Amino acid sequence: GAGVSQSPSNKVTEKGKDVELRCDPISGHTALYWYRQSLGQGLEFLIYFQGNSAPDKSGLPSDRFSAERTGGSVSTLTIQRTQQEDSAVYLCASRPTGSSNQPQHFGDGTRLSIL
Amino acid sequence: SQELEQSPQSLIVQEGKNLTINCTSSKTLYGLYWYKQKYGEGLIFLMMLQKGGEEKSHEKITAKLDEKKQQSSLHITASQPSHAGIYLCGAEQGAQKLVFGQGTRLTINP
Repeated sequence: GAGVSQSPSNKVTEKGKDVELRCDPISGHTALYWYRQSLGQGLEFLIYFQGNSAPDKSGLPSDRFSAERTGGSVSTLTIQRTQQEDSAVYLCASRPTGSSNQPQHFGDGTRLSIL
Repeated sequence: SQELEQSPQSLIVQEGKNLTINCTSSKTLYGLYWYKQKYGEGLIFLMMLQKGGEEKSHEKITAKLDEKKQQSSLHITASQPSHAGIYLCGAEQGAQKLVFGQGTRLTINP
């Protein structure tokens, strides 16, 4: 597609439920990133994919968080047993390669609210 | 780890006025990105700076990276309502990820 696409745009769920967030990167972009944006914490890195592998998972806050990428394209971020502190906007970004000479292009995010 | 501090945190200016937003790093910057965000939307890429002393412009927005590569500024000339939003600076940390400043909220009064 023309830009990074994320779905759903909004998600409201009850504490303890599992959620899946989807990211469809720009076609041909091999590098994919997940970030979280919350009040008081700003924008934080979660995980980076190069192709289907994740060389850097250092930002995942707990083992309730996991992510996968298949076919070098779509990625899914899964949060198990959601907690209220998981409420945030989850942003996905992609860029053509892992090169730092290219900017990361962001989607519009998924706004997650845990009741 | 690298930290970015933006100033001011919020800014209200009259339409037509010039303004400057600053981004200061605790370490040398090897890639500095400016993004703009509107509520409910993602980040829109504005400019990328990599070399000390580099300056880039797009329409009425100019970004500079100082010679020591530890501070960047974003300058808007003759501000318009369309410039309103949150401006974020981001820096490459390690091989891939970006670390961001806390953002500057810009309001343009007509």
